[in-house]
Amino acid sequence: QKEVEQDPGPLSVPEGAIVSLNCTYSNSAFQYFMWYRQYSRKGPELLMYTYSSGNKEDGRFTAQVDKSSKYISLFIRDSQPSDSATYLCAMSVDGNNRLAFGKGNQVVVIP
Amino acid sequence: GAVVSQHPSWVICKSGTSVKIECRSLDFQATTMFWYRQFPKQSLMLMATSNEGSKATYEQGVEKDKFLINHASLTLSTLTVTSAHPEDSSFYICSARLYDQPQHFGDGTRLSIL
Repeated sequence: QKEVEQDPGPLSVPEGAIVSLNCTYSNSAFQYFMWYRQYSRKGPELLMYTYSSGNKEDGRFTAQVDKSSKYISLFIRDSQPSDSATYLCAMSVDGNNRLAFGKGNQVVVIP
Repeated sequence: GAVVSQHPSWVICKSGTSVKIECRSLDFQATTMFWYRQFPKQSLMLMATSNEGSKATYEQGVEKDKFLINHASLTLSTLTVTSAHPEDSSFYICSARLYDQPQHFGDGTRLSIL
């Protein structure tokens, strides 16, 4: 079993819809959870960074962490065509040293 | 803030040559830099971790003599792919962080070996 599982998609949604992404993990020692956005041929860009279970909101983005279920989610409200990208979840045990990445989920927002 | 610059963005070279990729943190001092490799539609695979002034720590299966990493200052790390071959063709991405802050990534280098 991989440390981090993420359905690669692709996921197509109409503009304005809510995008829902998630990752599951097997290592209960993970304490730090991140979501990155990666445009084609670019490096990942940090979107959300959370430590504990619960919700964290930043503009149109909401990150959820459920440590008991080993499950994290990212929601994008009022999606825009510019949100079309690959979204990678990442997590670490020790404060962002070695990151374990999911495969990435390709999102396409259709105008 | 937290800008990481990677250069070059794309390089094509002949088999057998060595290629150097630079990673710079532009507006912060990076106590740790990381080098990743990414294949198409795959996730990032950590190759090595380097702290300024000390030797890099390589992940299992990554050849130290093949992928030379130098972290000479708090704002610069270099990855040299020595005697590159077509199987080394990939997308190489660096990241940098200050102490326990999140990693910030460069825009990657697309390496094509003919």
